[in-house]
Formats: sequence, C-alpha cells, structure tokens
Amino acid sequence: DVKVTQSSRYLVKRTGEKVFLECVQDMDHENMFWYRQDPGLGLRLIYFSYDVKMKEKGDIPEGYSVSREKKERFSLILESASTNQTSMYLCASSPADRDYGYTFGSGTRLTVV
Amino acid sequence: DAKTTQPNSMESNEEEPVHLPCNHSTISGTDYIHWYRQLPSQGPEYVIHGLTSNVNNRMASLAIAEDRKSSTLILHRATLRDAAVYYCILRVSGGSNYKLTFGKGTLLTVNP
Repeated sequence: DVKVTQSSRYLVKRTGEKVFLECVQDMDHENMFWYRQDPGLGLRLIYFSYDVKMKEKGDIPEGYSVSREKKERFSLILESASTNQTSMYLCASSPADRDYGYTFGSGTRLTVV
Repeated sequence: DAKTTQPNSMESNEEEPVHLPCNHSTISGTDYIHWYRQLPSQGPEYVIHGLTSNVNNRMASLAIAEDRKSSTLILHRATLRDAAVYYCILRVSGGSNYKLTFGKGTLLTVNP
C-alpha cells in the first residue's frame, strides 16, 4: 500500500522550542504539502514543494519554514513554537500530473504549552 | 482560487444511495474536479476525480454536468463507515496547479 508517513501522531512542545515535523512518502511523488487543520477553519495550506529543494509559500506560512533535501522527505519547522500553533498538521503528496489524487498522512496533533 | 459550494450537512440511511452535490460555476475548461473525504481523527482520503466524463471506481461514482458547473458524488450503498466530511475541490491549471484548496465540505451522517 502506498503511504505518507508522519513521524509522530501526538506531540507536546513548550513555547519557544524549535519543532520539527517529519513526513516521508514512498510513492516517488514530485509534490509534497503541509496543511494545518483547526476547528471552524478547515484545512489551510502552509507550504508546498514541487521538487527537491524547491518550495513555495501557501496561504499561512508565517512562523513556519520547510526543508526538502530528498524527494521522499518533507519537513515542517516551527522556528519558535507558540500556543497559536497548536493544531493538527497534515502532510500530503501527489504526482506532478493533475490527473491524480493526493495521498494524505494520518496527521500530527501538536500541542504547544 | 476557483470556488466550490456544498451543503453543510446531509443525512442518509444505511444501505441507501447518497448523492452529494457540488456547485462550481466558475470552473474553467482545464480544471479537474476532485473529491476527498475525512473520517474522524484521520487525514483526508482521496475518493475520485474527473475532468469531463462521468467516472466510476470502487469507492464511488462521479457525475459531472454537461456544462461542468456542477457535479455529484454518488455512494451507491452507504455504510456507517461512510460517515465523514466530504470535500469537493477544483484542481486548477496554471501557476497554482499544485495545490488543493479545501472548503468546509459536507458532513455526511449515516443512520443505521
């Protein structure tokens, strides 16, 4: 079965910590994405990458950065975690061709205290 | 971003067909129509997508209007496991063609 794997299901971090969320896909997809999901706000795109070392800002990039050194791995970095970054974080990947769907991971629920 | 409009919620009975509507009146000729669903406490799951013709797969069918301004996701026999939020999304062409923009979706309740 094809997979997008997020390294942690639940994570608790302290305010001001640097946080790394890892995502790995085994489908050789070109595109990878980070979303966050909050009640009442739905899924919002943070960053995406369409190739190794390439990245583009999504709709809410402030407070986040990303890294894609290898095709299969896409990392989301919270430089200095804040309580308003408490959320469910979802990683996804897709082929470059628009005639294919996305595959999502199971999500990481991050709590910043 | 191209927009879609879906009902906030719908209800169905188990083993009955379900028709989930979506309006996308501003769709352009090369935009793909994607459907995803999200079960509680899980990431979204791809259901089906299409461009112009109706599509069938093991999960569902997608009926696309002739003018492409609307589409309907059809679950042929709803089960309790189909209770989820269903998202209709346009995957657009051009500079933003990488990304999917999620709306609020339709919360489907399936009654036993």
